[in-house]
Amino acid sequence: DTAVSQTPKYLVTQMGNDKSIKCEQNLGHDTMYWYKQDSKKFLKIMFSYNNKELIINETVPNRFSPKSPDKAHLNLHINSLELGDSAVYFCASSQDIRLPYEQYFGPGTRLTVT
Amino acid sequence: AQSVAQPEDQVNVAEGNPLTVKCTYSVSGNPYLFWYVQYPNRGLQVLLKYITGDNLVKGSYGFEAEFNKSQTTFHLKKPSALVSDSALYFCAVRDKIMGGGGNKLTFGTGTQLKVEL
Repeated sequence: DTAVSQTPKYLVTQMGNDKSIKCEQNLGHDTMYWYKQDSKKFLKIMFSYNNKELIINETVPNRFSPKSPDKAHLNLHINSLELGDSAVYFCASSQDIRLPYEQYFGPGTRLTVT
Repeated sequence: AQSVAQPEDQVNVAEGNPLTVKCTYSVSGNPYLFWYVQYPNRGLQVLLKYITGDNLVKGSYGFEAEFNKSQTTFHLKKPSALVSDSALYFCAVRDKIMGGGGNKLTFGTGTQLKVEL
C-alpha cells in the first residue's frame, strides 16, 4: 500500500497552461505539505496544511494555489505555467504539526514546461 | 531564522570503509534534526532524527548521527559503507513553533554519496 501517492508522475505542458497535481495520504496524518525540488536538487517548502487549514505559505507566486478537500488530500493547482516552474514537486505528510514527527514523502511529480 | 549547511556536494567512499556526511545547522533554541535519503527518481525517506536525549542517534540501514550542540553539527555516519548506500542525503532542521510557523523543515542542499567497489 502506498502511504503518500501523487498523480501524475510526469507532466509535460506548454507555457501558459493551467495544471493540477493531486496528492493523497492513507496514513491518517493531520498535516500535509508541498515541496519544490529544483534542477540542483534543492528542496524548498511551498505550503503546509493541518486539518485542511493553511499553516505555512512560503513566498510562492500566487499562480500556485493549494487546495485541501479533506485532511487526506492536498492538491496543487498552477495557473499560467512558466518555464521556471519546471521542477519535481513532492507532497509529504506528518502525524501532527505541533510535534517533531518525521515527514513521509510521495514519489514526486516531474513537471516540465516547454 | 534557521539554516543547514552541507559543505560537500559529493562524498566518495570505497565499499567496506566508514563514511561521514557532514551537516552544520543554525537555529534558535534547541533544534530538531533529521537525516533523509533520496534514491534516484524517488521521494525522500527519513533515516533518523534527533529530538532530545542521547546525542548518538541510531537509524535505518546501520546509519547513525551524533548531535554536537557546542559545534552545532549533526554528521551522518556508517561504519561500513555498501554500494546500495549510494544516494542523495539531506540534513534538515525544524524551525521552532512560533505563531503560525508550525512544523517547517529547512533542508540542506544535499550530499551525493557514491560508494564504489
